[in-house]
Amino acid sequence: SQQGEEDPQALSIQEGENATMNCSYKTSINNLQWYRQNSGRGLVHLILIRSNEREKHSGRLRVTLDTSKKSSSLLITASRAADTASYFCATDAGYGNKLVFGAGTILRVKS
Amino acid sequence: DVKVTQSSRYLVKRTGEKVFLECVQDMDHENMFWYRQDPGLGLRLIYFSYDVKMKEKGDIPEGYSVSREKKERFSLILESASTNQTSMYLCASSLSNWGFSGANVLTFGAGSRLTVL
Repeated sequence: SQQGEEDPQALSIQEGENATMNCSYKTSINNLQWYRQNSGRGLVHLILIRSNEREKHSGRLRVTLDTSKKSSSLLITASRAADTASYFCATDAGYGNKLVFGAGTILRVKS
Repeated sequence: DVKVTQSSRYLVKRTGEKVFLECVQDMDHENMFWYRQDPGLGLRLIYFSYDVKMKEKGDIPEGYSVSREKKERFSLILESASTNQTSMYLCASSLSNWGFSGANVLTFGAGSRLTVL
């Protein structure tokens, strides 16, 4: 079952611009995570936000979480060509040790 | 610095063949997972294991089985490969997250792209 759904499906921006990706989910969660996947490779964990947190920063990444709307956003500031990748949100309901992933957003940063 | 290793990056098999996908992690993680990734569908969980010799079905276990004889190794088995099992297979591992303070952060392997002809 797919819990998280990312929006948009694809995003193309110029280097230096900000990129915003959104994730909506359906059930209560313990935490929400964002992962990046470079083409043809495995996923890499970027950032985790817990259900009692509203905003979190890591370098050029900013994640927000609105549990009342069951949604999260990932902002990448001052994007670089190296940020070109697919980005996935994953929800952790806190039981069963399972993460459920969305379909992902494909980000292309043009130099 | 590789932490989760998948034995094969690319495999080509014929319909009906038995296929083994191997995954090894060196982080002493309790949990291990197999996902398949298809365009537009994201990652779907096939099987996972939270301890040696333990396994749990994920969302799409049909046509697959798994084996975890040692803590560091989790194998995915396709008993009789079919063309609809052509996909990217991703193995991941994590520490146990029992308790509120835990968080199930996954470390992924590089993936195994399987083509079934």
